[in-house]
Amino acid sequence: QSVLTQPPSASGTPGQRVTISCSGSNSNIGSNYVYWYQQLPGTAPKLLIYMNNQRPSGVPDRFSGSKSGTSASLAISGLRSEDEADYYCAAWDDSLRGVLFGGGTRVTVL
Amino acid sequence: EVQLLESGGGLVQPGGSLRLSCEASGFTFSTYAMNWVRQAPGKGLEWVSAISGRGDRTFYADSVKGRFTISRDNSENTMSLQMEALRDEDTAVYYCAKDVSHSCSSACQIEYWGQGTLVTVSS
Repeated sequence: QSVLTQPPSASGTPGQRVTISCSGSNSNIGSNYVYWYQQLPGTAPKLLIYMNNQRPSGVPDRFSGSKSGTSASLAISGLRSEDEADYYCAAWDDSLRGVLFGGGTRVTVL
Repeated sequence: EVQLLESGGGLVQPGGSLRLSCEASGFTFSTYAMNWVRQAPGKGLEWVSAISGRGDRTFYADSVKGRFTISRDNSENTMSLQMEALRDEDTAVYYCAKDVSHSCSSACQIEYWGQGTLVTVSS
């Protein structure tokens, strides 16, 4: 069982906005940066958001991240078919001294 | 361009051993901490271990502590994961991953991923 909690699935039609939540605690999200990764089918994960809300070069500005207290969110606006993937949040945990991942959210474009 | 190439995966019996390697290029290897992350078939991501840039600090998930050993050779730009006493639940794709930081002094934070190598533990 993941310590960071994500909904298992989310969906939307092309052009819609989809939001994925990631809930943690004071020892992880509450005191460390949140990272988001996108994993397209059959491929390795790829960094999508770092330091809560920063996008690496090459990541479209349709993707945005935010954090408040012990929760974080990833928003995908203008949903496109190529956004169908699994999305994972991650944060360092000060108590466990390790990286925690959320259970992952599968995004489906209807 | 950062490139991470894992090798060493394969089929091993329960209780057996296996050594994974990761060859890195495209960045100053000794400057960055490195991680191993695994993904069981059809499941989510699980962080396994990390090592500082100098190799003097190591971190392990409770699920592998005492069985797995992470190491690195900065002269060869390689990182390894020695896995002992393997269990069925260790079956997964193992990813080598570059960290943002030098030593994970405050936190390990993963930036780049390799393509992974499959480890299957089965009799």
